[in-house]
Amino acid sequence: GQSLEQPSEVTAVEGAIVQINCTYQTSGFYGLSWYQQHDGGAPTFLSYNALDGLEETGRFSSFLSRSDSYGYLLLQELQMKDSASYFCAVRGGGGNKLTFGTGTQLKVEL
Amino acid sequence: DSGVTQTPKHLITATGQRVTLRCSPRSGDLSVYWYQQSLDQGLQFLIQYYNGEERAKGNILERFSAQQFPDLHSELNLSSLELGDSALYFCASSVAGLPETQYFGPGTRLLVL
Repeated sequence: GQSLEQPSEVTAVEGAIVQINCTYQTSGFYGLSWYQQHDGGAPTFLSYNALDGLEETGRFSSFLSRSDSYGYLLLQELQMKDSASYFCAVRGGGGNKLTFGTGTQLKVEL
Repeated sequence: DSGVTQTPKHLITATGQRVTLRCSPRSGDLSVYWYQQSLDQGLQFLIQYYNGEERAKGNILERFSAQQFPDLHSELNLSSLELGDSALYFCASSVAGLPETQYFGPGTRLLVL
């Protein structure tokens, strides 16, 4: 099966940089995805890494190391609206099923 | 707006009842996924359909079933409802070959009393 581990909660101040880590165990690894979910809202796709390295999309970047089964989401110039839960997810085991981590709740403070 | 629609938005029902949740994927997406999200849990994958056929199954209870119709909309049927089935149910869709990039609907909040 697949399992993912990420911190349950992270707090940072507005304007700062925060990194949310994710370690995973899976067979037949394809890549690591990140999703954002505001309270009461739907998950929104942020990024996907299939290859090692850093992918940048505006203030958000995502990193993957396949050899370490590890990735992270980097959020820069934090804004209050970034307060949300962030989930990493993997597709593995030879199917199309995505397994999500339990989520990291990010609180951005003034 | 992701382009994925779900109805109803809220549903309140009693234990033992049966409900049907409806989902329309984004235009052009052939894959539909169903997830359950309880208060203290993450997103639990239930089932996936691709172009009308079941493609992947998660820990979906036998009381739950789903189907995808020729027009690609999907329905999730929940029967013999229990209190513990109260949750947010999300539908998502993706382009063929890119299951890592899923677009989620707004969800249906089910409350079983």
